[in-house]
Order: sequence, then structure tokens, then C-alpha cells
Amino acid sequence: DAEITQSPRHKITETGRQVTLACHQTWNHNNMFWYRQDLGHGLRLIHYSYGVQDTNKGEVSDGYSVSRSNTEDLPLTLESAASSQTSVYFCASGRYNEQFFGPGTRLTVL
Amino acid sequence: AQSVTQLGSHVSVSEGALVLLRCNYSSSVPPYLFWYVQYPNQGLQLLLKYTSAATLVKGINGFEAEFKKSETSFHLTKPSAHMSDAAEYFCAVSLSQGGSEKLVFGKGTKLTVNP
Repeated sequence: DAEITQSPRHKITETGRQVTLACHQTWNHNNMFWYRQDLGHGLRLIHYSYGVQDTNKGEVSDGYSVSRSNTEDLPLTLESAASSQTSVYFCASGRYNEQFFGPGTRLTVL
Repeated sequence: AQSVTQLGSHVSVSEGALVLLRCNYSSSVPPYLFWYVQYPNQGLQLLLKYTSAATLVKGINGFEAEFKKSETSFHLTKPSAHMSDAAEYFCAVSLSQGGSEKLVFGKGTKLTVNP
């Protein structure tokens, strides 16, 4: 069955370190998205991609970057982790406006 | 730009009672509308979607929602709550035109079901 996976599921890191969160989908979707979920804010879009070599900034992109070298993967990199980036991160893929979500990565920045 | 407002961050009902979760949207063009459910420590799962076909949309687990253009609403209902419905519910909107496939989410409503 097609799926979308995220790794790691839990991560603790220190302020200033570079962190990469992986997202892999086997749906063969062109569209992929990264969100963060924080209490009181719902889901906020960080970055998104409509295909290989295409990346776009979302509403909360500062301090994050993505790259899309193939259809299946959209890794999210925190260049220099900050405590404000402690959150739960969700990756999604989809088409025709419908999105399928991964299980999430809980990131703690100390 | 489109936006979504979910009225009530917490809703509590008794088992067997009607569930009503409210969602109002703002969109300059005809929207696509979605309800997602999130169970504890899990990702979001699609409950149902409106894509301009029928205004009453039926989803999984007995949920349904009605698109009312005059009220710019897309409220989620279920006639009889079950304990397993306890979760957080998110309404989302997307443009049906222009090639944008981004979703804009509401802040969520946490549903508690009391025995």
C-alpha cells in the first residue's frame, strides 16, 4: 500500500545545531508540504513543492529550508535550531487539493 | 486570500448526543472545503471534502457536512456521538481555481465525548 513516512518520530537537539527531518511518500504525488503544529495555532505551512526542483515558502518559512531532488522525498532542514522551533512537524503529499499526512515528528530544541 | 474560522476550540458532548462542529470560511473564489480528524499522537486523516458537486457531503465514521454558500459555512455534524469520536477536528479551505493546491487550516476544535 502507498504511504507517507517521517523520520525520526522524536528528536531532541540543542540550540544552534542543524537538523534534518525526513519525509518519504510512495503515492507518486507531485505536491508535498511541510507544516508545524503548535497549541493555539493549528497547522501552519512552512514550505511546499509542486514537483522536482520546485520549492516555495509558506507562511512560517524563516529558519527552514527544503530541497526536492526526486518525487518521493522532501527533507526539511532547520539551519540553526532555535527553541521557538520546538514543535510537531507534519509532512503531507497530495493532488487535486487533497492531502495525505504523515505521522509527524516531535522536535524538541533545548 | 482564503481563511477559515472554527468556532469553539473545545466542544464537549455526551455519548449518543448530536455532534456539531462549526466552520466558516472566507474565499474570493469558489472553494474546496475539507474536514480532517486527528487522533492523539497521530497525523491528520481526511473525514470528508466538498468539491462543488453535492452540497451535503458524507464522510467516514458517520460524519457529514453541508456547504452553505449564503452563510459561508461548512459545519460538521454526526447524529450520535461515540466515545471513539474524541479527537481534534480541523476545517480547511483551498482554492478551486488558479492552480494553487495549498490548504489553509482552522485552529482546530477538540471534541470530548463524555460517557
